[in-house]
Amino acid sequence: GDSVTQTEGPVTVSESESLIINCTYSATSIAYPNLFWYVRYPGEGLQLLLKVITAGQKGSSRGFEATYNKETTSFHLQKASVQESDSAVYYCALGDTGYQNFYFGKGTSLTVIP
Amino acid sequence: EAAVTQSPRNKVAVTGGKVTLSCNQTNNHNNMYWYRQDTGHGLRLIHYSYGAGSTEKGDIPDGYKASRPSQENFSLILELATPSQTSVYFCASGDWGSGQLYFGEGSKLTVL
Repeated sequence: GDSVTQTEGPVTVSESESLIINCTYSATSIAYPNLFWYVRYPGEGLQLLLKVITAGQKGSSRGFEATYNKETTSFHLQKASVQESDSAVYYCALGDTGYQNFYFGKGTSLTVIP
Repeated sequence: EAAVTQSPRNKVAVTGGKVTLSCNQTNNHNNMYWYRQDTGHGLRLIHYSYGAGSTEKGDIPDGYKASRPSQENFSLILELATPSQTSVYFCASGDWGSGQLYFGEGSKLTVL
């Protein structure tokens, strides 16, 4: 089936350290999957962080990057140097053609220690 | 700024009672979605809609109905609430062009 698996949380890192949150997907019934990272900051609603709709392309936002790798079916989220303000819950998501459905991972809670 | 608002934000219901969760969007998006989120699970799609008058079943529709009377409003209806429907429910709107979803802040439902 179609699904997303991401790093189990919680994840705790120190400020200025690098971060990677793994995400792999299965898109057996989706011809052209689109990939997303959503984020929920404390006290706020879920919002889009970045998206990539073409395999091989990289998306970036707020210092985060993710590359859509069709060969490894992965879309890992990376940041070279995290800040305390990055503390949030991050969700990897897979969108099907026509956006009839989005498949979300379970979410990864990130805490950045100053 | 895109806006999706849900009501009520918190609800306590009794088993067998009827619950209606409402969602309003000012984005003029065609697509709207209802998800639930439980510990150990990602967001799971209950129902979605392509526009006024349309409702479609998502991955976990059993025990839920949906209503889309207008472009702006999308309701989730639990005719006979059960404790297993205790959860946090999220409404979202999205447009086909960008594929981006805009979420409400969530409605916490407790069924006793």
